[in-house]
Amino acid sequence: AQTVTQSQPEMSVQEAETVTLSCTYDTSENNYYLFWYKQPPSRQMILVIRQEAYKQQNATENRFSVNFQKAAKSFSLKISDSQLGDTAMYFCAFMFTTSGTYKYIFGTGTRLKVLA
Amino acid sequence: NAGVMQNPRHLVRRRGQEARLRCSPMKGHSHVYWYRQLPEEGLKFMVYLQKENIIDESGMPKERFSAEFPKEGPSILRIQQVVRGDSAAYFCASSPRAAVNQPQHFGDGTRLSIL
Repeated sequence: AQTVTQSQPEMSVQEAETVTLSCTYDTSENNYYLFWYKQPPSRQMILVIRQEAYKQQNATENRFSVNFQKAAKSFSLKISDSQLGDTAMYFCAFMFTTSGTYKYIFGTGTRLKVLA
Repeated sequence: NAGVMQNPRHLVRRRGQEARLRCSPMKGHSHVYWYRQLPEEGLKFMVYLQKENIIDESGMPKERFSAEFPKEGPSILRIQQVVRGDSAAYFCASSPRAAVNQPQHFGDGTRLSIL
């Protein structure tokens, strides 16, 4: 079974500081992608960053970067220079293909609060 | 380019009524996915449709729930004889093609409340 685990229900960080959100997953698939989505209070689901499982190099998108450890099945998100607008729920997601269909498996989320 | 449009944003129904949730995918997207989000939980996959076809409905309850994506018009998620446990946020996502590296673009969701 495919699972995604986010072990930190809530976190807070001071503005301009760095914070790391953890995510682990379990799968027997070889071909998959990992994503981080942000859900602000407006409830939109906004793609933050994605990582291809077959790539060793960690993905980076401006202030957002990941630490992808494939052997450990770990995919953490680092937010540098945190801003008030980063306050949101963050969901880790794993996409794989099976029998011609493509599915996201989402974690339960980490609520991040950036403090002024 | 308009994003994924879902309506209504909020829907209130009494137990036993029917709920219809609409989703217009992004222009050029022919793949639509529906998810349900309970409070304080992540999104759970319900169904995946491509124009006029249901590709995967493994996450959808066998009874009372149905989905369609007709040749013309939006995708519809229909819940018959709603019960309190159906209260949730329902998200639609779309993508231009089906590929494991293809992120899905989400709508703003419909919050369904059952009285």
